[in-house]
This record gives sequence, C-alpha cells and structure tokens, in this order.
Amino acid sequence: DTAVSQTPKYLVTQMGNDKSIKCEQNLGHDTMYWYKQDSKKFLKIMFSYNNKELIINETVPNRFSPKSPDKAHLNLHINSLELGDSAVYFCASSHLLGQFFGPGTRLTVL
Amino acid sequence: QQQVKQSPQSLIVQKGGISIINCAYENTAFDYFPWYQQFPGKGPALLIAIRPDVSEKKEGRFTISFNKSAKQFSLHIMDSQPGDSATYFCCVGGTSYGKLTFGQGTILTVHP
Repeated sequence: DTAVSQTPKYLVTQMGNDKSIKCEQNLGHDTMYWYKQDSKKFLKIMFSYNNKELIINETVPNRFSPKSPDKAHLNLHINSLELGDSAVYFCASSHLLGQFFGPGTRLTVL
Repeated sequence: QQQVKQSPQSLIVQKGGISIINCAYENTAFDYFPWYQQFPGKGPALLIAIRPDVSEKKEGRFTISFNKSAKQFSLHIMDSQPGDSATYFCCVGGTSYGKLTFGQGTILTVHP
C-alpha cells in the first residue's frame, strides 16, 4: 500500500521521559511535515523537511527535534516530556497535488 | 493572530440536505485553499482544493466556492449523507507542498 505510516499509534509515558515517533512515506514525495493536533482538534504545523533539509520550524520548544535520515523518513524525538505535550501528532508528505497525512500517534503524558 | 477563521464550529444536517462551511482568510499572498476531512481516530484526508484563479470547483457532491475580493471560500456538500459525518478543516497555503495553516474545524453531523 502506498501511504504515510507512523509508529507507534499510541504512546503513553511519564513526565520527564524521552520518546520518539517514526514516520515513513513510500509516495516518493520530497517534502515531509510534523503537525500537532490538540485536544480541541486544532492542527498546527511544527516542522517541514524538504529532501532531508529543515525548511520550516514553527516556534516549537527545543525539546522537540526532528530527524530525517533520508527523504522517505522523518522522525520526531521529544525530550523531557511535559503534560502539555499530550496530543495527536501527524506526519504528512506532499507533492504538487497536496499534502497527505499519516494515521497519527496519540501521545499521552502522565 | 488567526490567519484563517472557519465557521460554524458544528453543523447538523438532515440526510439529503446541503452542508455549508465557511472560511475567511487575511493574507492575500495565500494561493492554495484545500479542504480536509477527518474521521475520528484517522488522519486528515485531502477532500478538494482550489486556487484563486477560479471561483468554483466541483468534485462529485463537493464544491468549493471562492471569493477572492472578499477573501472568503466555502465548502458545499450536496445531498449530505450520514457517511459525511466528520470534522472538516479549511486551510490556506502558499503552495500545495508548503506550509498549511488550518482553520478551527467544523464538526458535521448528518442525521439519517
């Protein structure tokens, strides 16, 4: 199946821990993104990478660090997790026809 | 600063009716206006998109109307079906592959 995939789907962790979310797309797109959807369903872009190069960084705390080992993968590492980081994180990729989103990772920080 | 304002927050429509969701934007530099549909527990899915060189785009039961001078655009869902019940987001962007700014979302419920 051609798609944007994310792992894990659910992530429950304690405050202060470090966690990673992985994203892969097999659509051949050059540009990938991370979005955060809060409890009110508001979607906001966090980062964008084009061909492994960071092009958008939207005032996200330094505790969030994206890494793109190749243009098909964009991972998100979060240090020192806080309660306010609880949200659904979506990876997306895009080309001329639009942006295509993964299924999301629901992060719960206890 | 809200770059795109979406209304209503929620909408209830009877099966077969027309659902209308509106968005207004501020920055005239935007030139890509997609709508996304999101079902519970799923990622947003691209539904339909328009560029400002046309005033209307139709795909099946879904139509975008675009008013460049008023900086407004709307989604019309004709013959609404219970399966259309979802959250709908309007977006603005510079290109289809650039940064998208999302509206607040509209929860649509279509009663059978």
